[in-house]
Amino acid sequence: SYVLTQPPSVSVAPGKTARINCEGDKIGKKSVDWYQQKPGQAPVLVVHDNEDRPAGIPERFSGSNSGNTATLTIGGVEAGDEADYYCQVWDSGPDPWVFGGGTRVTVL
Amino acid sequence: EVEVAESGGGLVQPGGSLRLSCEASGFTFKSAWMSWVRQAPGKGLEWVGRIKGTSDGGSAIYSAPVKGRFTISRDDSKATVYLQMNSLKTDDTAFYFCVAAVLKPYWGQGTLVTVSS
Repeated sequence: SYVLTQPPSVSVAPGKTARINCEGDKIGKKSVDWYQQKPGQAPVLVVHDNEDRPAGIPERFSGSNSGNTATLTIGGVEAGDEADYYCQVWDSGPDPWVFGGGTRVTVL
Repeated sequence: EVEVAESGGGLVQPGGSLRLSCEASGFTFKSAWMSWVRQAPGKGLEWVGRIKGTSDGGSAIYSAPVKGRFTISRDDSKATVYLQMNSLKTDDTAFYFCVAAVLKPYWGQGTLVTVSS
């Protein structure tokens, strides 16, 4: 089955840029969604179909996808961005929804 | 506005059964593909299964850990999808989220299922 690999944690200073990678075989040929999840809350979609931002999501959140790596970029990081972030793809294998293991973003 | 709301979670003993409901509104339900995703305490997200829209045949598929024990069904007249969980194990303890695929995914707030004696 398809596997997505994310770093367990990323630390970033306020106002700086955080980049979270999601690695998978030829992931550039797939559509990637990114979710933000804060403690005790449901996941929130922050990037859809590689680079589209849903309504209400700040422009600071952006996505890209090429080759074997998809990336979520958070510019001008704020304390409120501290959360777990998950990448997810649709796959033709036995499990159509595949999630990465999640990355905890810590704002220093 | 699209809304999705789960209900039916609770405490159940190992080997027991539970049925979760997911009521949706704000979109054409009968054509929507609906999924269930779960998250064990302190763990990541895990896809459980999905059911196609009725117009696409309404068939369901499941992840390996729940196949043969869980069943997804839908009632388009009530805009509701169900997750019937049988032969529950302690490893099934998790928050269960319902997700509607309507151009983009819409998630509910989740309902907690605790399997414990």
